[in-house]
Amino acid sequence: NAGVTQTPKFQVLKTGQSMTLQCAQDMNHEYMSWYRQDPGMGLRLIHYSVGAGITDQGEVPNGYNVSRSTTEDFPLRLLSAAPSQTSVYFCASSPLSPETQYFGPGTRLLVL
Amino acid sequence: DAKTTQPTSMDCAEGRAANLPCNHSTISGNEYVYWYRQIHSQGPQYIIHGLKNNETNEMASLIITEDRKSSTLILPHATLRDTAVYYCIVRVNTGGFKTIFGAGTRLFVKA
Repeated sequence: NAGVTQTPKFQVLKTGQSMTLQCAQDMNHEYMSWYRQDPGMGLRLIHYSVGAGITDQGEVPNGYNVSRSTTEDFPLRLLSAAPSQTSVYFCASSPLSPETQYFGPGTRLLVL
Repeated sequence: DAKTTQPTSMDCAEGRAANLPCNHSTISGNEYVYWYRQIHSQGPQYIIHGLKNNETNEMASLIITEDRKSSTLILPHATLRDTAVYYCIVRVNTGGFKTIFGAGTRLFVKA
């Protein structure tokens, strides 16, 4: 199993540009989530999903959209990037009654 | 989900036990205590979890007080590679939950 994969590893955007951060898992996990981590800070939950077709907001959802059309994929969309969205983004997955969440390696995003 | 309180940072000598405390005084009866750690800029890594009883695995031990209002993660023989941020989280262990991370404790293991 590849586990949780994220692409790209690093991205530079200009203010106002849009992009999609990709997240995929091959463990057939129902639960997937997105976090952002600013320098020196803990992780903050952006959006999460408990299965295909079901998503919900986390702590800091503004400026981000998600969809879950398949069990494997959970992309995060930035419609109009802002410098405040400069951060490291982590995707995670787990079974619905998990003992653990599995995290991806992260995507480092810089918005100029 | 209940809120947790952890010290901002701690030091530990290499080879010694590292004891990381966590306060969760508002924990509910069906909420579990989970510990994760994050080494440098990697994704967080699961360590251990428990409900009432003390737990041990190959990485660490988890001691939960009888009233469940606090817990301690023990790394029995800390190494330099255990330097990381350690997160204590409490949440229910059923579908539909959302896991909220706090600021965690930054553990420095010194030679």
